[in-house]
Amino acid sequence: AQSVTQLDSHVSVSEGTPVLLRCNYSSSYSPSLFWYVQHPNKGLQLLLKYTSAATLVKGINGFEAEFKKSETSFHLTKPSAHMSDAAEYFCVVSYFYNQGGKLIFGQGTELSVKP
Amino acid sequence: SAVISQKPSRDICQRGTSLTIQCQVDSQVTMMFWYRQQPGQSLTLIATANQGSEATYESGFVIDKFPISRPNLTFSTLTVSNMSPEDSSIYLCSATSGVTDTQYFGPGTRLTVL
Repeated sequence: AQSVTQLDSHVSVSEGTPVLLRCNYSSSYSPSLFWYVQHPNKGLQLLLKYTSAATLVKGINGFEAEFKKSETSFHLTKPSAHMSDAAEYFCVVSYFYNQGGKLIFGQGTELSVKP
Repeated sequence: SAVISQKPSRDICQRGTSLTIQCQVDSQVTMMFWYRQQPGQSLTLIATANQGSEATYESGFVIDKFPISRPNLTFSTLTVSNMSPEDSSIYLCSATSGVTDTQYFGPGTRLTVL
């Protein structure tokens, strides 16, 4: 069965400091893994996607995530937080369904960035 | 990536009425999906909108409450029927293109039921 757990419901960092948002997944086979971001009153934007081509995935806005099979983790990081990074972040796992893929969402992590 | 728009962006409705939400994609897509995001919660898949056939509903969601249409490869509608305050949520449309599981999302429709 596919599932995803975001380990922190809320993370607060200071501007210019590193960001770490943690995600563990459960999958019976090799999953596709995503991080999406949702700014207040906005839709979801794809940050990055893991598809087994490389364990370190670079995304938009300086974010990256590392797939660690031994730890079943897919943590999201950024070296230096910016005020505009304040948003809700979702870790998502997919299993292939027909020609597309159903997505299973984690509960989300709210990132706050202090000046 | 597909660009997805939704109408309306928000609405306030009375209990017992119905609202139809439209989802338009700027290119032909393979799959379309409808999600619900209750206040302060994550996203839950309602159904997969199938072109030319009945939608495939997830556990806990039924056609009588959430009828869905998908008349072509770029357009879908979701109706929230006989609304109650518990239906107050953000409803999001998404789509995939080609043989991929990457979904792109619309901006959502924020529904408040009084």
